[in-house]
Amino acid sequence: GENVEQHPSTLSVQEGDSAVIKCTYSDSASNYFPWYKQELGKRPQLIIDIRSNVGEKKDQRIAVTLNKTAKHFSLHITETQPEDSAVYFCAAIGNNDMRFGAGTRLTVKP
Amino acid sequence: EAGVAQSPRYKIIEKRQSVAFWCNPISGHATLYWYQQILGQGPKLLIQFQNNGVVDDSQLPKDRFSAERLKGVDSTLKIQPAKLEDSAVYLCASSSQGQEETQYFGPGTRLLVL
Repeated sequence: GENVEQHPSTLSVQEGDSAVIKCTYSDSASNYFPWYKQELGKRPQLIIDIRSNVGEKKDQRIAVTLNKTAKHFSLHITETQPEDSAVYFCAAIGNNDMRFGAGTRLTVKP
Repeated sequence: EAGVAQSPRYKIIEKRQSVAFWCNPISGHATLYWYQQILGQGPKLLIQFQNNGVVDDSQLPKDRFSAERLKGVDSTLKIQPAKLEDSAVYLCASSSQGQEETQYFGPGTRLLVL
């Protein structure tokens, strides 16, 4: 089955700096990689996703890169703002197998 | 568009008791998921339904957990009997088709087993 590792578990940055969160997966059949943001006490919400036929995707301050050969993908947040503070989860999905990473708690200091 | 609805929002029970959670997915969504999220961890898929059929229940502890989606719309998840380690948030999500479509999560049910 799939195994997803996510690093770092906690990340603290200054407002305006960039934040990078990395995930690795084990199942080569994985072909869909969403990222979710979960604020304290709230539901996870999709912020960006990428499919295996694409190497990079960008949406304003958020970007995701995928390296299928190395089986890793990363979330990049630029010009961070205090409201970006949350827990971020990656997931790897494919062949009817879906696993989430353990999460990264991002804190953006004003 | 109404989101995924779940009830109750909170539940406190004693170990060995039974509990049931309810989920109503977004209208028209064929796929429904139940996740268990233990504090400090990512969501763990318990069961996935496609309409009223089970697609994946490999991580569902079947000796105590059961779920159904009889009419292919709303779903219930039951724990009987509950253990202390079942304390978690139970999230329901739905997507229009399969796993490779955007999943929309409900607010979750926070379960505390004493």
